[in-house]
Amino acid sequence: EVQLVESGGGLVQPGRSLKLSCAASGFTFSNYYMAWVRQAPKKGLEWVATISTSGSRTYYPDSVKGRFTISRDNAKSSLYLQMNSLKSEDTATYYCARHGSIAAISTWFAYWGQGTLVTVSS
Amino acid sequence: DVVMTQTPVSLSVSLGGQVSISCRSSQSLVHNNGNTYLSWYLQKPGQSPQLLIYKVSNRFSGISDRFSGSGSGTDFTLKISRVEPDDLGVYYCGQGTQYPPTFGGGTKLELK
Repeated sequence: EVQLVESGGGLVQPGRSLKLSCAASGFTFSNYYMAWVRQAPKKGLEWVATISTSGSRTYYPDSVKGRFTISRDNAKSSLYLQMNSLKSEDTATYYCARHGSIAAISTWFAYWGQGTLVTVSS
Repeated sequence: DVVMTQTPVSLSVSLGGQVSISCRSSQSLVHNNGNTYLSWYLQKPGQSPQLLIYKVSNRFSGISDRFSGSGSGTDFTLKISRVEPDDLGVYYCGQGTQYPPTFGGGTKLELK
């Protein structure tokens, strides 16, 4: 059974940093691109970042580029999101998600974690 | 960015009924490799999204055949037949053909 378990969310002041983690199990982690998708309270879904299987390529939307860094540790089957210079508009539940097809960037999000809430407020 | 527009925003249905949700993209979702990366997700109340359909019409593992996807290019439809209580929630379409991946605004399915 595929499982994605996020951790690291919490309350943080504007301008500060936070690092999210996602522990994956039930599949060969190193075979899949991985992503973070967020959902602001009562809002829709917004893709935040994607990382290639080896970690050599990363992708971000303009809204977080330069502030967020996605990384992975294939030996630990873990995904991370380092969030710097946080803004109030970054307040959201952050989901770890596995891409649907092996080693492919164009895709769908086949599995989602339960999410971790990040609140940016003074 | 590809804009995904879902209609309607909300939908009321009787148990056992049938509904359709429309999703339109601002650009063609046909990839250079010939695939169309249009997917559908359901977010039940208090839960994370779950994948229902990928590549327009492929049901994900364990998804009932009451769910069906169709469409091409820029126009896509999700049909749900014989609606059950567990089908209620917010449905999202999403595209993964062009980066950044984008999602529709959601369609809330409620009981009539």
